[in-house]
Amino acid sequence: DAGVIQSPRHEVTEMGQEVTLRCKPISGHNSLFWYRQTMMRGLELLIYFNNNVPIDDSGMPEDRFSAKMPNASFSTLKIQPSEPRDSAVYFCASSLASNPGAVNQPQHFGDGTRLSIL
Amino acid sequence: SQKIEQNSEALNIQEGKTATLTCNYTNYSPAYLQWYRQDPGRGPVFLLLIRENEKEKRKERLKVTFDTTLKQSLFHITASQPADSATYLCALVAGYGGATNKLIFGTGTLLAVQP
Repeated sequence: DAGVIQSPRHEVTEMGQEVTLRCKPISGHNSLFWYRQTMMRGLELLIYFNNNVPIDDSGMPEDRFSAKMPNASFSTLKIQPSEPRDSAVYFCASSLASNPGAVNQPQHFGDGTRLSIL
Repeated sequence: SQKIEQNSEALNIQEGKTATLTCNYTNYSPAYLQWYRQDPGRGPVFLLLIRENEKEKRKERLKVTFDTTLKQSLFHITASQPADSATYLCALVAGYGGATNKLIFGTGTLLAVQP
C-alpha cells in the first residue's frame, strides 16, 4: 500500500519566492498533519485537519504560512513570501481520526520536503 | 510550560546489549504515549503506543513502560543490533480525553549500536 506521499522531496529557492509543498495522505485516513523539523526545535506541529477541516492552526508561525485541504486526498502548505529562517524539513502525516474514548491513533509520516531558502 | 525531554546526547551501546531511552514530561497528564523511530532522511515511523493505565507494553524486542507518577516513559530494545541505530522520538497526546490526534514530540535520542 502507498504511504503518505510528499512532493517535492527537495526545494531550493530564493528569499521572497512563494513555496508550495504538497501531500497525499493514505487513502481512508481522515486526519492530516503538517509538521516542521529543525535541529533547534525538533518536530513541531504546524496545523492539522480532520475531515478536510482545519482543527488547530496554532502552530502556524505567521501569516506567511497557509495550508489547505480541498479534498480528502490532497493538501498543500504554502509559504509566501519565504524567508531563510523557514529552511527546515516539512513533514506531512495522516491517521484515522480519534473518537472520544477511543485509542489515540498512530500517525503515518511521509519522507518530508527538505526546504532551503537562500 | 509544557515540556517533553529526551536524552539530548547520543546513546552508544554494544551490539547485543539492552538500550534504554528515557522520556520525561512536565505539565501534562497524557492518556497515551507513543514512540517513533526516525532514520536519516526519512519520516518518523510509529513503533508502540501505551495507555496511562498500562504499566508496560511489549512488541518483539521492544518494551515500553509508562509511569504517570514519575511522569516518565522508558523505551527498551533488548539484544540490540546495528540496524536499530536511529533516532527515537516519544510523543504525547496534547489534551486529555478529547477527540484529538494532536501529538507533542520530544526532540529525540540518537541511538548508535556498535557491532
